[in-house]
Amino acid sequence: EPEVTQTPSHQVTQMGQEVILRCVPISNHLYFYWYRQILGQKVEFLVSFYNNEISEKSEIFDDQFSVERPDGSNFTLKIRSTKLEDSAMYFCASSEGAGGGYTFGSGTRLTVV
Amino acid sequence: GDSVTQMEGPVTLSEEAFLTINCTYTATGYPSLFWYVQYPGEGLQLLLKATKADDKGSNKGFEATYRKETTSFHLEKGSVQVSDSAVYFCALRAIGTSGSRLTFGEGTQLTVNP
Repeated sequence: EPEVTQTPSHQVTQMGQEVILRCVPISNHLYFYWYRQILGQKVEFLVSFYNNEISEKSEIFDDQFSVERPDGSNFTLKIRSTKLEDSAMYFCASSEGAGGGYTFGSGTRLTVV
Repeated sequence: GDSVTQMEGPVTLSEEAFLTINCTYTATGYPSLFWYVQYPGEGLQLLLKATKADDKGSNKGFEATYRKETTSFHLEKGSVQVSDSAVYFCALRAIGTSGSRLTFGEGTQLTVNP
């Protein structure tokens, strides 16, 4: 069964450093998403991406965050200057259409120290 | 805005017990409703879904019925197994003009003991 692949599975970074979280969505999917889950809290929407641009973003997705699809297969989330409160599990997801079901990756656990 | 509320957890059951996890929602329009499951160390997997009122989603012995009148989508299983131990998330997606984000509930940790 097709999978969404995320790397790395766990990343530790120092506060103020830039991090890039990587995702390989399912190849024929057109919509891509990032969600995050702070430990013990809800899974929260960050951003959706379609046709090489952001289609929707939440209030969490401020200027410190950016997304990119650099080469037609990868989908990345960059956090420019990490804060302690960015520590969370970050999930990538993709879907074939806007109304279709999502497939989520296994997540990247980001720890900011 | 849209929101999803799940029953307080965690839930601990014995094998073969009946499971209900309550989920209610608030949304404008007619959302699609989902249950996702997260096994330890894994990502979120779609368990079942329903896209309109009175639809019943089912998978692996789990069922949930979209009840518009009570704005609910409770998850049920008649006989749970140890392998069902996981975190269960109720979610909705309200199709708007700008996208199709999922709004999740808090998650309910289910532990099934042999």
